[in-house]
Amino acid sequence: EDKVVQSPLSLVVHEGDTVTLNCSYEVTNFRSLLWYKQEKKAPTFLFMLTSSGIEKKSGRLSSILDKKELFSILNITATQTGDSAVYLCAAPSNTGKLIFGQGTTLQVKP
Amino acid sequence: GAVVSQHPSRVICKSGTSVKIECRSLDFQATTMFWYRQFPKKSLMLMATSNEGSKATYEQGVEKDKFLINHASLTLSTLTVTSAHPEDSSFYICSARDAGTVNSPLHFGNGTRLTVT
Repeated sequence: EDKVVQSPLSLVVHEGDTVTLNCSYEVTNFRSLLWYKQEKKAPTFLFMLTSSGIEKKSGRLSSILDKKELFSILNITATQTGDSAVYLCAAPSNTGKLIFGQGTTLQVKP
Repeated sequence: GAVVSQHPSRVICKSGTSVKIECRSLDFQATTMFWYRQFPKKSLMLMATSNEGSKATYEQGVEKDKFLINHASLTLSTLTVTSAHPEDSSFYICSARDAGTVNSPLHFGNGTRLTVT
């Protein structure tokens, strides 16, 4: 059965800290892994990773995929209170539907 | 970027009534749309896959007669919660992928908060 597992489930840091969120996966015919940020409404897209070892970067956020070890990390540097959210990792199954991890709830304190 | 519009954002209804939620892809065509349900502090749970021009595919445990899905065009899917009960109160989110772009990520609507009294 396809599954995506995130860790930690929750994290509390202070502004300026750097955080690393983890996502491991077991998906048949793996094609890609996606990261989303969810605040009060629906998830917003952050990154899509398809190739191993190539870092994707957007401002203070970056992500990388390791297809050999079947995991991905999402890094946030110099965290701000606006980074507080649930971060979701997901991978599409063979049928195209997304398999989501449980999410990591990040709280950034001032 | 791809935009998915979901309406209404919030609805309150009485037990026994039906509620329709619309999901539109605004600047792309989507042959497939997905409907999710999310409980407080939980991840997204896929309810069904909506296929343009054909029947929706429901996940195990989701009642197809209760959650009616219609995908009449390449830009619109609707979810109707029929004979709503308080336990149907939840956050419903739709998503869609640009059918014309290879490896396009899934984009989400802003969700609908349903409260059944």
